[in-house]
This record gives sequence, C-alpha cells and structure tokens, in this order.
Amino acid sequence: TAGITQAPTSQILAAGRSMTLRCTQDMRHNAMYWYRQDLGLGLRLIHYSNTAGTTGKGEVPDGYSVSRANTDDFPLTLASAVPSQTSVYFCASSDAGDGANVLTFGAGSRLTVL
Amino acid sequence: GQNIDQPTEMTATEGAIVQINCTYQTSGFNGLFWYQQHAGEAPTFLSYNVLDGLEEKGRFSSFLSRSKGYSYLLLKELQMKDSASYLCAVRESNYQLIWGAGTKLIIKP
Repeated sequence: TAGITQAPTSQILAAGRSMTLRCTQDMRHNAMYWYRQDLGLGLRLIHYSNTAGTTGKGEVPDGYSVSRANTDDFPLTLASAVPSQTSVYFCASSDAGDGANVLTFGAGSRLTVL
Repeated sequence: GQNIDQPTEMTATEGAIVQINCTYQTSGFNGLFWYQQHAGEAPTFLSYNVLDGLEEKGRFSSFLSRSKGYSYLLLKELQMKDSASYLCAVRESNYQLIWGAGTKLIIKP
C-alpha cells in the first residue's frame, strides 16, 4: 500500500539518550515534514524539506535535526532527549505539483522521554 | 498574531447534522483545510477551501468566508464512524500551515 511508513510505533527513552525516528514514503512526493502533536495544541511543525538535499526549520526546531539524502527518507533525530519532547510525532509528505498541497501523514510515533 | 479557534468538543446524535466552526487570524491567507483524525491514528484530508463559498463532498461540506476569517465543516447524516477529531488548518501567505487544536466530535446513538 502506497503511503508513509514511520518507525518505531512507540518508544520509551531515557532523558539524555539520542533517538532517530524513521520516515519513508513511496509516493515520490518532493516535500516532507515532521510535526509533533500534544494534547490541547495544534500540530506544530518541527522541520521540513521541500526537496531532496534541502531542509528548513519549522515552528519548534530546537533539540531536533533532520536530513534528506534522497526523496523517500526523512529521519528525525533527537540528539539528547528531554521530557518535554514526550509527544506523538507525525511525518507527512506532499506533492508540490498539487495546487492544494494536501498532506499525507504517517501513522505516528509515540515517544515518551523519562 | 496567529490564532485558530475551534471548539474543544462537540456531541451529536447519529443521523443528525453537526456544524464545526473555525475562526482564524493569520498572516495572510492561502487556503483552509479540514482534516479528520480518529483516535490513535493519522490525520486524513477532508476538504480544501481557497475561495469564499461552500464546497460539498458527499455527506461533508466546508464553507469559507475570508472577510470574516471563518470556516465551518458540516457533517450530515452522522454515523458512528464519524466520531473523531476534526482539525482546521490555515495556510498563510508564506505557505506555512497553522493548525487549530482540533474539535473532538462524539456521536451518540
């Protein structure tokens, strides 16, 4: 089934440890995004990539890094996790050729930092 | 500043009609989206409005008034499977998306 695959589905992580959330899409979308979703708040953009080889900072980029070596993969790395990074993380992609730029989301990765 | 307001929670009866409102104040406007999100799942696209008026798509319709900074999502003939959160998002002039916190819709038999 075409779409976005995220891994892991859930993870408990000790504070101070590093973690990479993986995201792979098979739709050949040029743009990809990482969002976090917290109770009572709207989705917040962490980082984005408009095309392979480029990345940009979103609304809440501190403590996170991304890379976009190719079209399909967009991993999100937490270098030294803190409890405030406990959240559900969604990877998304969109086709810039689509005028509406509709987002397709992965199933999410639930991260708990203790 | 940027702000999107939508009710936190609404309750409706199976078979009825419900209207979920969204008001926004953003830096420019380049389209408004509605997404549906079932508990524990990913958001999925429902509708997109860039011009004023009503867009109808089956049981779901979305309305936009740019001058009022206002949109609503109308769900008709409610089914139990419509129990979900409904997210309003506005794309600003710089193409950044600003998301509301979502409206949790509870459908009762």
